[in-house]
Amino acid sequence: GESVGLHLPTLSVQEGDNSIINCAYSNSASDYFIWYKQESGKGPQFIIDIRSNMDKRQGQRVTVLLNKTVKHLSLQIAATQPGDSAVYFCADKDSGYSTLTFGKGTMLLVSP
Amino acid sequence: DAEITQSPRHKITETGRQVTLACHQTWNHNNMFWYRQDLGHGLRLIHYSYGVHDTNKGEVSDGYSVSRSNTEDLPLTLESAASSQTSVYFCASSDVGRGASDNEQFFGPGTRLTVL
Repeated sequence: GESVGLHLPTLSVQEGDNSIINCAYSNSASDYFIWYKQESGKGPQFIIDIRSNMDKRQGQRVTVLLNKTVKHLSLQIAATQPGDSAVYFCADKDSGYSTLTFGKGTMLLVSP
Repeated sequence: DAEITQSPRHKITETGRQVTLACHQTWNHNNMFWYRQDLGHGLRLIHYSYGVHDTNKGEVSDGYSVSRSNTEDLPLTLESAASSQTSVYFCASSDVGRGASDNEQFFGPGTRLTVL
């Protein structure tokens, strides 16, 4: 049978809706939190980052929220478009290091 | 335009063979990374390098090695391929870390490796 652990969490939305993708992290020492987007058949691509001393940062159509109290990170995408369909990964980085630790990813499916 | 390339894009090999995956970047980045991606595990760091002649082990380094003889290339070698190493491999590079400057890693297109 199939293992639940092998399935990516999936968020299905309609075009034009706002999407919220969530991520829990465990490393309290992380200095930066970053979101990446991976389209099918391609490598991940940087979207936006936020430093640990901030709780909100906005980009173009995207907003990242950081709640250090509960170790939670979210990516909000406004007016979601079919081109936003992809797997989204959160990652964190310790201060002083250049390596990233990635989460397992969330698949976003946008239907027209 | 600067880019990062990987070769081959697809590779099928047999258990026990040595395999080398190539990664070449023209960003002139000091930092280079190798990841493997498996469903249910996301991206896991294999090895990384902060500059020429520097190499470091990542989370899942057993059975893999890298060498950095110049800025542009970080080849990944599987010494004796195992079926558990069937995966998609991504190479990435980033600028030298100064705060947030190395948060953005630039990824190659990936190599799909199958070990039979």
